Amino acid sequence: QSALIQPPSASGTPGQRVTMSCSGTTSNIGRNPVIWYQQLPGTAPKLLIYSSLQRPSGVPDRFSASKSGASASLAISGLQSEDEADYYCAAWDDSLNAYVFGTGTKVTVL
Amino acid sequence: QVYLVQSGAEVKKPGASVKVSCKASGFILMNYGISWVRQAPGQGLEWMGRITPNIGYTNYARTLQGRVTMTTDTSTNTAYMELRSLTSDDTAIYYCARRGSIYGDDAFDIWGQGTMVSVSS
Repeated sequence: QSALIQPPSASGTPGQRVTMSCSGTTSNIGRNPVIWYQQLPGTAPKLLIYSSLQRPSGVPDRFSASKSGASASLAISGLQSEDEADYYCAAWDDSLNAYVFGTGTKVTVL
Repeated sequence: QVYLVQSGAEVKKPGASVKVSCKASGFILMNYGISWVRQAPGQGLEWMGRITPNIGYTNYARTLQGRVTMTTDTSTNTAYMELRSLTSDDTAIYYCARRGSIYGDDAFDIWGQGTMVSVSS
């Protein structure tokens, strides 16, 4: 199944703002909520954003997300060392009748 | 505490089958859905399929159709994923994840710890 497209990497120094994109189609992001997951090294993914821009309880407000058309983005403000992880977007695809993940963005804190 | 506990690592030969369990604790599995996701070494996440226990509905990824079966046992609050005709390409960490919480049907809010399945002759 086709994946959502994300840049492979992003980086910043502590305190900086980092953004990453997630590109899809009208069959997935264009018509369904976008979900973002954070995967710290060696651990299971963790729900970071739901309904395209909402944060679950416990997720710091440094994390924010938006969606426009068939694309979405995630921003991390005030980057911290513990934010070093892989970030995946995801959405339901109505044409594939399947859940599709993004290719993943590795965030490095310099 | 709400969590999912998966069975331990497996080593299989090509052509064999594997069945991974995912036991729910702190919530009733029947009231939610379970999706299975796998991650090959150094690779991204791949959705395998989902099961909605209260109606017995399953939906599998097209790439795995015919090889995968997802089930639940309500008496033990456990979900299962069986994958058959294994090849080296199936070597991965397999995760179960809860869906259908207050965060919506498409958000996986609770994840199991993962089960490493290695396929090698």
